[in-house]
Amino acid sequence: DAKTTQPPSMDCAEGRAANLPCNHSTISGNEYVYWYRQIHSQGPQYIIHGLKNNETNEMASLIITEDRKSSTLILPHATLRDTAVYYCIVSLGGGTSYGKLTFGQGTILTVHP
Amino acid sequence: DGGITQSPKYLFRKEGQNVTLSCEQNLNHDAMYWYRQDPGQGLRLIYYSQIVNDFQKGDIAEGYSVSREKKESFPLTVTSAQKNPTAFYLCASSPRARGTDTQYFGPGTRLTVL
Repeated sequence: DAKTTQPPSMDCAEGRAANLPCNHSTISGNEYVYWYRQIHSQGPQYIIHGLKNNETNEMASLIITEDRKSSTLILPHATLRDTAVYYCIVSLGGGTSYGKLTFGQGTILTVHP
Repeated sequence: DGGITQSPKYLFRKEGQNVTLSCEQNLNHDAMYWYRQDPGQGLRLIYYSQIVNDFQKGDIAEGYSVSREKKESFPLTVTSAQKNPTAFYLCASSPRARGTDTQYFGPGTRLTVL
């Protein structure tokens, strides 16, 4: 599975958009980009995933560059409850580790009042 | 309500004792996973199971054992052979064991070995 690089921490003002970047320059053609978040002492929560096209759901938008080497998770109107660690994961599945998600250190997003 | 439950939320054990962590799901998912998380770190895969009566080692299986006798249950035993068992343990499930299937996580069990 491809490795990802994320900034260790970011700040955002409440009500503003939070844009979290992720680099995955070694991603292969059939690997998906997943985003999860983890609020302190809780299990990770799925946010969104995509392959090539940009995706949007009720929680966030995912923008994937045309060469697929990087992506951005956008929380359009951040709230204090969005303070969490955000993980960008590239997942292939198949082979000997079906469905394995490799979690790195993620980005600590702090939303300020 | 559908979801994944883990019990207990906090667990304390003496060194040298085996301990079993519970994970139950009522989502009718085929695949289930166990991860371990240490302070300030990401998650690491311990074991995973694609179907009943089948399971595979993940990246850090040494000192752990699992069983999958029922589709909805995937208990994890932390044995005395695990050298650093104190950690946050997370169970997850997905409809099938493929990278394209979203994994859903339980609330976790925090194990402390004294």
